[in-house]
Amino acid sequence: DTGVSQNPRHKITKRGQNVTFRCDPISEHNRLYWYRQTLGQGPEFLTYFQNEAQLEKSRLLSDRFSAERPKGSFSTLEIQRTEQGDSAMYLCASSLRLDRGEETQYFGPGTRLLVL
Amino acid sequence: AQKITQTQPGMFVQEKEAVTLDCTYDTSDQSYGLFWYKQPSSGEMIFLIYQGSYDEQNATEGRYSLNFQKARKSANLVISASQLGDSAMYFCAMREGLGGSYIPTFGRGTSLIVHP
Repeated sequence: DTGVSQNPRHKITKRGQNVTFRCDPISEHNRLYWYRQTLGQGPEFLTYFQNEAQLEKSRLLSDRFSAERPKGSFSTLEIQRTEQGDSAMYLCASSLRLDRGEETQYFGPGTRLLVL
Repeated sequence: AQKITQTQPGMFVQEKEAVTLDCTYDTSDQSYGLFWYKQPSSGEMIFLIYQGSYDEQNATEGRYSLNFQKARKSANLVISASQLGDSAMYFCAMREGLGGSYIPTFGRGTSLIVHP
């Protein structure tokens, strides 16, 4: 399978615990994005990487959130001291540049987080 | 103000009929891109179709076409010959500006149910 993969697919944790999610992008894609999606909403941008550099972070990304992309391949998203409000689907996408200079993003299946 | 507005929370269509999902957008940029994604219950966002602001012709991809009316700032998705497998959430998204991060803003989505 050559699509974007995410692990784990589901995570249940207790409030205050730390969690880490992994995203493996499509191999030739150099841009990687993290989104959060809550029920009834579209995805909201969190952060993105070009290769190993984290180029932009949303104001949604509090200090408890950190993302890395060592060596410009897979990426991890860590949430420290989880809160119930962190319960959401966390989506990863990697991007492919189209001929006209546009990019489209290919999404993984997401990690659904439930904080009890 | 909402950058992407999808006014139809839910739509029903009979199998083999065509359906139009509405999307209006708000931007002052001259260059922007519009996207539609499908999200089945499994959670993965599937890219369907793209329209650039300078494209003179409406985009088409198989059974999907984008009815782009620039003056009205609308980018409706038309699905022809609906199939049961088209039942899903559909999200309209916009990327503003040239170059940069290509971070799209998503609407709240429209739930489409195709019934036999």
